Amino acid sequence: DQQVKQNSPSLSVQEGRISILNCDYTNSMFDYFLWYKKYPAEGPTFLISISSIKDKNEDGRFTVFLNKSAKHLSLHIVPSQPGDSAVYFCAALMNRDDKIIFGKGTRLHILP
Amino acid sequence: SQTIHQWPATLVQPVGSPLSLECTVEGTSNPNLYWYRQAAGRGLQLLFYSVGIGQISSEVPQNLSASRPQDRQFILSSKKLLLSDSGFYLCAWMDRGRRNTIYFGEGSWLTVV
Repeated sequence: DQQVKQNSPSLSVQEGRISILNCDYTNSMFDYFLWYKKYPAEGPTFLISISSIKDKNEDGRFTVFLNKSAKHLSLHIVPSQPGDSAVYFCAALMNRDDKIIFGKGTRLHILP
Repeated sequence: SQTIHQWPATLVQPVGSPLSLECTVEGTSNPNLYWYRQAAGRGLQLLFYSVGIGQISSEVPQNLSASRPQDRQFILSSKKLLLSDSGFYLCAWMDRGRRNTIYFGEGSWLTVV
């Protein structure tokens, strides 16, 4: 069963506009949620995380919002830049066992 | 600073041959270590993780195995590869003092022919 879901395989956004990437989860016991960016044939790079006790975390152009009642989080990128074109993975971590579960990813295309 | 390396970067192996992928972390001690695989259409699938020397948790039934012979070394192995083992394998580590993020290596491309 898939505990972390990214239901949009791809997303296209105009350069300079806001990119919103969504993620849903099923297990209310997760302690942290993380976002990673991945280019082809490279390892994912960590972008931003949020603790389950918070509802927002911001770092530069990246903001993550957490809605625990809906078991939903989103990553906002503002403004979107050409270098943001990549696959974005949502992940969830439980401190009980330090296991990190990833979604299937969303491919973001930034259009000129 | 901490670094993670995995090798080989690229591997082409015949069906039925053995496999050994190695991962080493530097600049930290007692990390959690992870092996993931990215196969087409399946995102990042957790294969194994380890919270200490000799302690391995397996997530997916398969013909792969993992070992942690030293604190900062994690090895992924197979005795006989299958075509379905092809994919991009990623090693990652977690700082047990922080326990809220993992950091990935460069990845290893395995093609089983």
